[in-house]
Amino acid sequence: GQNIDQPTEMTATEGAIVQINCTYQTSGFNGLFWYQQHAGEAPTFLSYNVLDGLEEKGRFSSFLSRSKGYSYLLLKELQMKDSASYLCAVREDSNYQLIWGAGTKLIIKP
Amino acid sequence: DAMVIQNPRYQVTQFGKPVTLSCSQTLNHNVMYWYQQKSSQAPKLLFHYYDKDFNNEADTPDNFQSRRPNTSFCFLDIRSPGLGDAAMYLCATAGNSNQPQHFGDGTRLSIL
Repeated sequence: GQNIDQPTEMTATEGAIVQINCTYQTSGFNGLFWYQQHAGEAPTFLSYNVLDGLEEKGRFSSFLSRSKGYSYLLLKELQMKDSASYLCAVREDSNYQLIWGAGTKLIIKP
Repeated sequence: DAMVIQNPRYQVTQFGKPVTLSCSQTLNHNVMYWYQQKSSQAPKLLFHYYDKDFNNEADTPDNFQSRRPNTSFCFLDIRSPGLGDAAMYLCATAGNSNQPQHFGDGTRLSIL
C-alpha cells in the first residue's frame, strides 16, 4: 500500500537548525516534494528531489535516499516565520498525482 | 501577482444547499486539481483535469462534481453539502507531471 510518515510536531529554537524526516512506502517513485503550509493558508512549494543526494536552496535543504525510502528537510538559521507545517509528497509514477503526508507542525521558540 | 486565484476565501452555506467554488489561473497550465483538506490532515485529492480530460478519484463522493469550461477556469460543485464537507478546498495547477503544483489561497467552507 501507499504510506508516508512524518513526525506530527517538532519544536526548535530561533537561530537553530532542525531536520524534518519523511519516510515513504509506495509502489513506485518518480520524485519527492516538500511544501510549507502556514496555518489557514495554502501549501507553497519548497523543494523537489528525484535523484539521491542533497538539494540546497538558501536556508532550506532537502535530502533523498531512494533505496531507504527516506527524505529530510533541513532548515538552518531558524526564524519565527518558519513556524508552519511542512508536508512531504511523493509522485509514484509519471501521472499527475501526489501522495501526501499529513505534515509536520514546526513550532519555533525565541 | 496571484497566479492561482480562488474565490471566495470563505464560504458559508446551509446543510443541503448547493454551493460552487471557483478557481482561475493565469499560468496556462494543463493540469488543474481540487483537494479537500481538513485540520491537521494531508490534502485529499478529489479530482484533476489534464486539459479537458477529467480524472475522478475512486473515493470521491458523488456529491462532488467539477467543471472546466476552459484552460483558465475550474469549478467545484457540491450538490448537497453535509456537515462532514466543512473543510479547506484547495485548487492547484501544474504545467506537467515533473513540475511542482502551484496552489491558490484556498476556500474555507463552513456548513450551517
